[in-house]
Amino acid sequence: LAKTTQPISMDSYEGQEVNITCSHNNIATNDYITWYQQFPSQGPRFIIQGYKTKVTNEVASLFIPADRKSSTLSLPRVSLSDTAVYYCLVVPADTGGFKTIFGAGTRLFVKA
Amino acid sequence: GAVVSQHPSWVICKSGTSVKIECRSLDFQATTMFWYRQFPKQSLMLMATSNEGSKATYEQGVEKDKFLINHASLTLSTLTVTSAHPEDSSFYICSARDGGGSGEKLFFGSGTQLSVL
Repeated sequence: LAKTTQPISMDSYEGQEVNITCSHNNIATNDYITWYQQFPSQGPRFIIQGYKTKVTNEVASLFIPADRKSSTLSLPRVSLSDTAVYYCLVVPADTGGFKTIFGAGTRLFVKA
Repeated sequence: GAVVSQHPSWVICKSGTSVKIECRSLDFQATTMFWYRQFPKQSLMLMATSNEGSKATYEQGVEKDKFLINHASLTLSTLTVTSAHPEDSSFYICSARDGGGSGEKLFFGSGTQLSVL
């Protein structure tokens, strides 16, 4: 089970790009990198998933270097509503009996 | 994405009573669902894995007789907090797995805030 390390908290201002980096030095060959977002008193929401290089969707981009030992979630032009906790997880493709364990996450606070 | 419905959103009960929380996958079949517990400003803590048609697998330290899990169909799992006490007050969240051939993706319910008086 690949352990992940990410900053406990980050502050930003509206309109800025926010990059949250996650370290996962022990990532396995068949592991994917997945990010979730959680607002207070709500369940987490899937944001993006990637295996290598770059993935982009309507919400965010995910950059993964060639060694895959880290990944960066990029949120373009954040707004106040992006204030949330962001979790980075490493999950295998062959889930089988895999249990998703959440780390502490990164608390992003967007200021006006 | 897939939709998971969790009900109720919040519940207040007296100490000693039991509370049932439902988790439904609305547009996909979920052979596996997970139940989490979350305290304020903390991360999600996995309580148990619910498998359709079989007994749930509980994490270490979670009392299976207190937190009863039933996964009778491919779209419904329930968590019953039996003889609830104030220390059981917490935010409970369910999730369902949607693999689809790539890395696992989990889709979460909106959570249930339980307050035991």
